[in-house]
Amino acid sequence: QQPVQSPQAVILREGEDAVINCSSSKALYSVHWYRQKHGEAPVFLMILLKGGEQKGHEKISASFNEKKQQSSLYLTASQLSYSGTYFCGTEVPGGSQGNLIFGKGTKLSVKP
Amino acid sequence: KAGVTQTPRYLIKTRGQQVTLSCSPISGHRSVSWYQQTPGQGLQFLFEYFSETQRNKGNFPGRFSGRQFSNSRSEMNVSTLELGDSALYLCASSPQGTGMGGTEAFFGQGTRLTVV
Repeated sequence: QQPVQSPQAVILREGEDAVINCSSSKALYSVHWYRQKHGEAPVFLMILLKGGEQKGHEKISASFNEKKQQSSLYLTASQLSYSGTYFCGTEVPGGSQGNLIFGKGTKLSVKP
Repeated sequence: KAGVTQTPRYLIKTRGQQVTLSCSPISGHRSVSWYQQTPGQGLQFLFEYFSETQRNKGNFPGRFSGRQFSNSRSEMNVSTLELGDSALYLCASSPQGTGMGGTEAFFGQGTRLTVV
């Protein structure tokens, strides 16, 4: 039931792009994305809802393919501040409201 | 507006002991979820409380329990500690829960538990 994230880790140079994928074996109602920097709390990035609606706070884009039960997070022109571990959290239809299941995370390192 | 506060930040306990962790959610938030974070396993869902009732439970043994008070503050208890319980325990709060309306979760800094 835990979503699968890929890749597990990625190293980038500043200015390069990255894509992080999140796949589920179950139909999804929504996908949440969070970033956690070392020693800090996870911080919300974006929510993608069934039907295509997106809610986000930062200039990071994402897609949600309901048929394939997949979501992808796109980080373009990466900055040093993008470094951290990215988690996707999934919600399945019929599940209770507070039950977000997270993947194991993707560690992103941006080098100068 | 104050964020989610977890206490204590660090704990060292001995095998067999029990421990209680505390989480104060953002004012007005009624949902509190607990997660266990270990290297390589990501965030494992423990349970969620809403208005003093456990609404969801993850796949953890009964040694892990929790409760929520009328002011929405939550506590998590682990009894008969094992070495494998060493982890960062995170709590997250949201107004009504994270689902069905796309509400984000606000995480605390976590409590780092070390079992020796």
